[in-house]
Amino acid sequence: EPEVTQTPSHQVTQMGQEVILRCVPISNHLYFYWYRQILGQKVEFLVSFYNNEISEKSEIFDDQFSVERPDGSNFTLKIRSTKLEDSAMYFCASSDTGIFGYTFGSGTRLTVV
Amino acid sequence: TQLLEQSPQFLSIQEGENLTVYCNSSSVFSSLQWYRQEPGEGPVLLVTVVTGGEVKKLKRLTFQFGDARKDSSLHITAAQPGDTGLYLCAGAGGAQKLVFGQGTRLTINP
Repeated sequence: EPEVTQTPSHQVTQMGQEVILRCVPISNHLYFYWYRQILGQKVEFLVSFYNNEISEKSEIFDDQFSVERPDGSNFTLKIRSTKLEDSAMYFCASSDTGIFGYTFGSGTRLTVV
Repeated sequence: TQLLEQSPQFLSIQEGENLTVYCNSSSVFSSLQWYRQEPGEGPVLLVTVVTGGEVKKLKRLTFQFGDARKDSSLHITAAQPGDTGLYLCAGAGGAQKLVFGQGTRLTINP
């Protein structure tokens, strides 16, 4: 069954450092997303991406965050200057229609120290 | 702000019993999805319901979307230990954005 692949699975970074989280969505999907889940809390929407541009973003997705699809297969989330409160599981997801459900990756656990 | 409230947050029952998990909101959603999430993994889609009043069955799991598309339920018949996990409901609340409930942690005791 097709999968969304995320790397790395774990990332520890110092506060103030930049991190790039990587995702390879399912190949024929057109809609891409990033969500995050702080330990013990709800899964929260960050950003959606379609047709090479951001289609929607949440209040969490401020100027410190950016997304990019640098080639035909990768989808990245960059956090420019990490804060302690950015520590969370970050999930990438993709969808063919944007309506009938997503396929999520296994996540990247980001720990900011 | 769209919110989804799931209840109960925790449920522990014996194998063979039936259970229902509820997902409620004051907002209308264009669709509602149910996911199951294992520790350290991403959510895995179980079902999407789109039409008000829609009922979908997945073996022993029955999903219903409320007539007004504001609420949903997940009913499990004859629960088994393999059903143990975190169940999440998520509403499609806008252009390609999901709003998640806080989850129901289900434990089925043998």
